[in-house]
Amino acid sequence: KQEVTQIPAALSVPEGENLVLNCSFTDSAIYNLQWFRQDPGKGLTSLLLIQSSQREQTSGRLNASLDKSSGRSTLYIAASQPGDSATYLCAVRPGMGAGNNRKLIWGLGTSLAVNP
Amino acid sequence: GAGVSQSPSNKVTEKGKDVELRCDPISGHTALYWYRQSLGQGLEFLIYFQGNSAPDKSGLPSDRFSAERTGGSVSTLTIQRTQQEDSAVYLCASSYQGVQETQYFGPGTRLLVL
Repeated sequence: KQEVTQIPAALSVPEGENLVLNCSFTDSAIYNLQWFRQDPGKGLTSLLLIQSSQREQTSGRLNASLDKSSGRSTLYIAASQPGDSATYLCAVRPGMGAGNNRKLIWGLGTSLAVNP
Repeated sequence: GAGVSQSPSNKVTEKGKDVELRCDPISGHTALYWYRQSLGQGLEFLIYFQGNSAPDKSGLPSDRFSAERTGGSVSTLTIQRTQQEDSAVYLCASSYQGVQETQYFGPGTRLLVL
């Protein structure tokens, strides 16, 4: 059974720091992995999607890496800003052999606070 | 270019009452998903629609929960005889079927069962 874990659960940093959020998953047979951002009272926003054949994806100050064999992904945020404060969620889509693989398996998220 | 919308944004109901939650997906998106997010827990998959059919209902927690989708667009999640443990944020997402299949989420409906 696929399980997704995110560490740390919460993180508070001063503005300008570079930071890394971690996501681990127990079954390496994944189709893809996504990082989402959730702001209080709002829905989720997709940040980056990495296919199983890819090693990383970049968007602006965000870089997500994927090491499928070790069951890990990291989200790197460069030069953090107060506007980056949110909960960051990692979600794995199981591989095609896992029956119906439409459902995403979610971590509990990392709550990030970037202080001015 | 509207995104996914959900209504109501907040719903307070009494135990035992029925509630209906609505989701309007992005136009042209064939796939639609319902999730539940309870306090302190991760997102829980409820049901997935491809067009008007639901090939995966495995996440529905009990027979009090049902969902339908009409015209390949709007979806309604119905909870009958609500219980306090049904209190959560119910999130809807849609995606355009393809290799990427990024899911686009609505703002959610916060349900509180008293």
